[in-house]
Amino acid sequence: ETGVTQTPRHLVMGMTNKKSLKCEQHLGHNAMYWYKQSAKKPLELMFVYNFKEQTENNSVPSRFSPECPNSSHLFLHLHTLQPEDSALYLCASSLLSGGLSTDTQYFGPGTRLTVL
Amino acid sequence: AQKITQTQPGMFVQEKEAVTLDCTYDTSDQSYGLFWYKQPSSGEMIFLIYQGSYDEQNATEGRYSLNFQKARKSANLVISASQLGDSAMYFCAMREGKIQAKNSGYALNFGKGTSLLVTP
Repeated sequence: ETGVTQTPRHLVMGMTNKKSLKCEQHLGHNAMYWYKQSAKKPLELMFVYNFKEQTENNSVPSRFSPECPNSSHLFLHLHTLQPEDSALYLCASSLLSGGLSTDTQYFGPGTRLTVL
Repeated sequence: AQKITQTQPGMFVQEKEAVTLDCTYDTSDQSYGLFWYKQPSSGEMIFLIYQGSYDEQNATEGRYSLNFQKARKSANLVISASQLGDSAMYFCAMREGKIQAKNSGYALNFGKGTSLLVTP
């Protein structure tokens, strides 16, 4: 495996379900990100993990819960979602070293989530 | 306030022609980075090209070049010799150099994107 992988690629869930999205990066990076891409809206940053320390975006509802057990893996735990949470969820990683040129974020293929 | 503005929702270009996708940005930082990404219908966001605010030369990567005009705060993407496989959404993004706050320091601010269709 190379780059950034995400599983599952597609997920359909009911509002009472609990599911998790998984992201894995094989680039030796030390920062990982979750983004949400809704129709007709710019990508929105949800969470950042920098050296495994969580940087939480306060506007993200608590029904989204991230977990970063190590610098290569990132999870997004989902519970009691709403239909408006249906979107493409993209994971990214980057190498933070203080210089912008090395902070390029590389994205995975995304998980397309549908909440019924 | 929107930090990245892409004014072209959709663009058409004929195969083998060049096309310019517009991007303007808003920041008070002196140090920042500008990125362009391509998103095909499959969904993956593919990094294309990067321009640093202190770079004196315009960035180039193969058929992609970035027309960086700092005073105008514009960072247009130029694709030369368009190919059918270039049909996709294109996003301009900015990372500001100064870490403002814990929940914004590492964010990429994306524009709404431009849909490019390359025709035979």
